[in-house]
Amino acid sequence: DAGVTQSPTHLIKTRGQHVTLRCSPISGHKSVSWYQQVLGQGPQFIFQYYEKEERGRGNFPDRFSARQFPNYSSELNVNALLLGDSALYLCASSLSGGSYEQYFGPGTRLTVT
Amino acid sequence: GIQVEQSPPDLILQEGANSTLRCNFSDSVNNLQWFHQNPWGQLINLFYIPSGTKQNGRLSATTVATERYSLLYISSSQTTDSGVYFCAVSNTGNQFYFGTGTSLTVIP
Repeated sequence: DAGVTQSPTHLIKTRGQHVTLRCSPISGHKSVSWYQQVLGQGPQFIFQYYEKEERGRGNFPDRFSARQFPNYSSELNVNALLLGDSALYLCASSLSGGSYEQYFGPGTRLTVT
Repeated sequence: GIQVEQSPPDLILQEGANSTLRCNFSDSVNNLQWFHQNPWGQLINLFYIPSGTKQNGRLSATTVATERYSLLYISSSQTTDSGVYFCAVSNTGNQFYFGTGTSLTVIP
């Protein structure tokens, strides 16, 4: 069975631009979460979606938004990119919200110049 | 939010040695996971262990939820064990908090 997939693998953008990152969860999983990992730190929670509804939001500005589609895949959008948005963006899937094990994708490495 | 502290921050071992990594958390949790992050950034699931003890080969983990800590044991370490180990916790299931990790280097 395929694990969590993310695209693209790497991305280079310029300050002020917009970016869309994509995630497909493990088959049968209905919850997707997004994390940002800056070099040298642990992942920071951005969003959780379950059944197309936002179930959790971390301490990130409104420039960050996400959505989940009927097939449970998800997009993370970031507007007006800043240099500080350069990071590894990780997607995790789980059966649902609540006390379930999370499985992570390989991540998208975003560089903002 | 929940504060998660991991210790030690860095660890260097000779191949074959044993080690214990610790994760302390500031509130009661209903979800705790240990991960190994490889050099390419992939987070690999090691244990889902909100309480109790589990073993998987050379690795084992114990969570004492009432005392708010978890331990990860690595025995007979190998060079392939090198990387960063993270503990992640949640008490709602909707938001997970990661520690800052333990960076492990195993020397041949």
